[in-house]
Amino acid sequence: NAGVTQTPKFQVLKTGQSMTLQCAQDMNHNSMYWYRQDPGMGLRLIYYSASEGTTDKGEVPNGYNVSRLNKREFSLRLESAAPSQTSVYFCASSEYGGGGTQYFGPGTRLLVL
Amino acid sequence: AQSVTQPDIHITVSEGASLELRCNYSYGATPYLFWYVQSPGQGLQLLLKYFSGDTLVQGIKGFEAEFKRSQSSFNLRKPSVHWSDAAEYFCAVGDGNNDMRFGAGTRLTVKP
Repeated sequence: NAGVTQTPKFQVLKTGQSMTLQCAQDMNHNSMYWYRQDPGMGLRLIYYSASEGTTDKGEVPNGYNVSRLNKREFSLRLESAAPSQTSVYFCASSEYGGGGTQYFGPGTRLLVL
Repeated sequence: AQSVTQPDIHITVSEGASLELRCNYSYGATPYLFWYVQSPGQGLQLLLKYFSGDTLVQGIKGFEAEFKRSQSSFNLRKPSVHWSDAAEYFCAVGDGNNDMRFGAGTRLTVKP
């Protein structure tokens, strides 16, 4: 039982390049989330998916797109990376939204030059 | 939207001493409140949560938190800190759906 897995662990991009961050969970959870963590700002919600086939914007969605590929997988895409997107990205999942406990992956550290 | 303030960026306590980490929230309806802990290089782990009922909630690793509606606070406490408690602690408030807002975090250092 791996919980929430994320790939890659670390990535360096040049400004304007694109990439997709992958997330998968094996807990049969309905809800999945993408956050970014920046020093002094805590975690900020980028997008979430309350169930398979649905996605919604969070607090900081600009510059990102997401896909809920199936119940297990939720990917985050940067179409044209900018230095302001340098951050640590966390995926999380929850059996249900609202009061459900969120389980976090180990994170992806992204550096945009 | 809801918001969270953690007034203390960094706290240092001696091993065996008591700990209180402060959290203040802003939300017009009944909040869903959480405390998470993050060890270096790791993801976040839930310590405890509050939705309703008894305002003093118990969590894992000997932590507890008290919800005070009149003060819009949800402070985290531990009677005796262990060296392994050194980490970053995040308070979060949810809207009852999927929108979760986190505080900026409090980094805890434990002196031997």
